[in-house]
This record gives sequence, structure tokens and C-alpha cells, in this order.
Amino acid sequence: GENVEQHPSTLSVQEGDSAVIKCTYSDSASNYFPWYKQELGKRPQLIIDIRSNVGEKKDQRIAVTLNKTAKHFSLHITETQPEDSAVYFCAAHYGQNFVFGPGTRLSVLP
Amino acid sequence: ETGVTQSPTHLIKTRGQQVTLRCSSQSGHNTVSWYQQALGQGPQFIFQYYREEENGRGNFPPRFSGLQFPNYSSELNVNALELDDSALYLCASSLEGIADTQYFGPGTRLTVL
Repeated sequence: GENVEQHPSTLSVQEGDSAVIKCTYSDSASNYFPWYKQELGKRPQLIIDIRSNVGEKKDQRIAVTLNKTAKHFSLHITETQPEDSAVYFCAAHYGQNFVFGPGTRLSVLP
Repeated sequence: ETGVTQSPTHLIKTRGQQVTLRCSSQSGHNTVSWYQQALGQGPQFIFQYYREEENGRGNFPPRFSGLQFPNYSSELNVNALELDDSALYLCASSLEGIADTQYFGPGTRLTVL
């Protein structure tokens, strides 16, 4: 069935280091893949998204890569800062459904 | 500020009761999707409304129903509340359809006792 796997479930990095979160989807027809950041008690906020006709997209310290053949996409955060600490969710669009991964709790240690 | 608003912020109900949650979409957006987010989990898609019609549904029972109004605001109704319905309910609006960029509202925290 429609499924999005996300790894790792928790990630701790030192401030200034890079963080990478990977998601795998199951339906090759999926064509839209957003990433959301959710701080405690707040709404998910879109940080970057990518469509299936693009292999990579970058916005300042954040980048997303998509491998359609392998059906996975990854979030890359460079030069991490303490304010990057949050739960990150990937998602994939499946037909008329939208499936989120289980989330990655990122902790950036000062 | 995304412009998506939800009401109420918090709600406490007892098992068996019914609840209505409300969402106002961002200006210019004609699509509203509803999600249930249990503690420590990712949002789960309930359904989507596009131009006042249900246009997709996740794996939720019929006691979860909704409406979208001509101004594209939306309601989520849940009948016969169960303890497991306790969660954060999020709505998200998008410009045109579910494959478009979605912006979330602040959510309604529902507690069922």
C-alpha cells in the first residue's frame, strides 16, 4: 500500500555540522515531495519541496534530492544551528492521498 | 504567517459525543485537506475538499465527515467520539488540488475523555 518510510527517527548533530534525513516511497506515480518542520506545539511549516521532474532543489542551507529510480528523497541541512532543532516530516503525494513519514527528531547541540 | 486559521484551539469532549472543527483557508486557495496528528506521529490524511466536493479520502471511518463552503472554508465533523480520536487536528489549504503546496493551520487539540 501507500507508505513513506523515514530514517533516522532521531538525529543529533553538533552545531555547524550537516544533517541528512532520508525518505523512501512506494508508488512510482508519486510526483510531489514536500518537507515540513514542526516545532513543539506549533503547526508544520513547509521548508522545501520538490517535484518529480527535478532531481535537486536548494534554498540557502537546505537542499532536497530526489532519486526516482530508487524511489527515495533526502533532506540536507548544512551549517546547522540550534534553531534547526525540531521534528522534520517528509511526505509524498499518492493520487488523491497524501502520506507523511513518521518524522525525524533533529537536535542540534551547541 | 500562512493565513490558515482554525477554531477552536482546544476542545474537550466525552466519548460518544459529536464535534465540529472549523478551518478558514488562505486567501485565494480553493482546496482544504484535513489531517489527524496523534502525539509523536506524523499527520494522517483524513480527506480533502476541492471546490466544495470531497476529492480524496484516507483510511478513516464514515463517522469522520466534512463540508466545504462557497468561500472555501471547511468543517470537519466527528460523530460518536472514541478515546483514540484524541489528537491534534490540522487543516491545510492549497491553491489548486492536493498536489499543490499545502500550508497548515495551527490545529485544534481535541481531547476525548
